[in-house]
Amino acid sequence: AQSVTQPDIHITVSEGASLELRCNYSYGATPYLFWYVQSPGQGLQLLLKYFSGDTLVQGIKGFEAEFKRSQSSFNLRKPSVHWSDAAEYFCAVGANYGGSQGNLIFGKGTKLSVKP
Amino acid sequence: KAGVTQTPRYLIKTRGQQVTLSCSPISGHRSVSWYQQTPGQGLQFLFEYFSETQRNKGNFPGRFSGRQFSNSRSEMNVSTLELGDSALYLCASSPTGGVYNEQFFGPGTRLTVL
Repeated sequence: AQSVTQPDIHITVSEGASLELRCNYSYGATPYLFWYVQSPGQGLQLLLKYFSGDTLVQGIKGFEAEFKRSQSSFNLRKPSVHWSDAAEYFCAVGANYGGSQGNLIFGKGTKLSVKP
Repeated sequence: KAGVTQTPRYLIKTRGQQVTLSCSPISGHRSVSWYQQTPGQGLQFLFEYFSETQRNKGNFPGRFSGRQFSNSRSEMNVSTLELGDSALYLCASSPTGGVYNEQFFGPGTRLTVL
């Protein structure tokens, strides 16, 4: 069965420091991978997605993610964190059922706190 | 363009009651998906509607149902509420649905079951 694991429940980084959020997936076929961010009281916003091609994907707000098939990982990175990045981050895999439209399977999320 | 709107934003019900949540997608979007978010289980897919037809369904009991109207607005109904149904219910819309297209999420309806 498809699954997504985000090993870190909560991460605290200092403003200006670099960030890496981990995501591992389990999926039999070529995965469609996503990172979403959820700010308090808000819905989810798509940061970036990977379907195929270049394994380093650029997203909004200065985020990027790298797909590593050998490690079944899709880690999210940002070189310099801003206080406004404090939020909860969700990794998701698109479960495609034999060509029909599928749905998203989410990880449990990583809450990011930013120290001034 | 207006974003996805969900009403009501907050709801308190008691066990055994039923509840209906509403979602208005972005104009022109024909797919509406519903997700349940809880601290323990995280975000779980409930179902997706496209052009008034349920196209995909997650692993939830039959107490959870939905429908979509001709204007793409969608409602989700939960009957015989249980304490465990307390959650944030998120609605997402996209032009054609599926995992290939970006889904735009609403702010959610926070349901508390007492």
